[in-house]
Amino acid sequence: QITLKESGPTLVKPTQTLTLTCTFSGFSLSTRGVGVGWIRQTPGKALEWLALIYWDDDKRYSPSLKSRLTITKDTSKNQVVLTMTNVDPADTATYYCSYRNTTPWVDYWGQGTLVTVSS
Amino acid sequence: NFMLTQPHSVSESPGKTVTISCTGSSGSIARHYVQWYQLRPGSAPTTVIYEDDQRPSGVPDRFSGSIDSSSNSAFLTISGLKTEDEADYYCQSYESSTNWVFGGGTKLTVL
Repeated sequence: QITLKESGPTLVKPTQTLTLTCTFSGFSLSTRGVGVGWIRQTPGKALEWLALIYWDDDKRYSPSLKSRLTITKDTSKNQVVLTMTNVDPADTATYYCSYRNTTPWVDYWGQGTLVTVSS
Repeated sequence: NFMLTQPHSVSESPGKTVTISCTGSSGSIARHYVQWYQLRPGSAPTTVIYEDDQRPSGVPDRFSGSIDSSSNSAFLTISGLKTEDEADYYCQSYESSTNWVFGGGTKLTVL
């Protein structure tokens, strides 16, 4: 059974760096074809794809956020970490961790974690 | 840029059938697969349709997906509506493996 769970701060101040961790089980991020990514849902309900890391450490980012995002993995801990620098109130959203296997869509989602950016 | 447009909201009674549309802005919607996701407050989102019309294991066969090239639209149909189907539904496609496009979401109310 594949599960993913996001963790991180619920409140971040503008200009700070946000660090989110996805802890997963039921698969290995060293298996060929597997990828773990991040998607967020803004308060206005829009979904936005953010970043993805593959089993071979290939990393992909949303072009509009690329300069602010870093995604890394720790295969031994079954974790993926997303960092976002210089956050702004517009980054207030529910952040979801996601699993996919060779496909350009989500197979499984985490429950999401709400992050508020406010001073 | 390729965009997907969904109705903001739909509502229907329990036991009835509802169809949610997802219309592509340019190019053929059939060019790449369309997926549908269900987001309910307090629950992890789930994928209810992938590859236009495929249902993941565990998703009831009340959920079905289709594509209509003439209207450049994808459709999610839910039959035998239950109150638990009340959620936000999003369509998703892609222009590349990492250039995903989401619809704006449709709020389904079952009343």
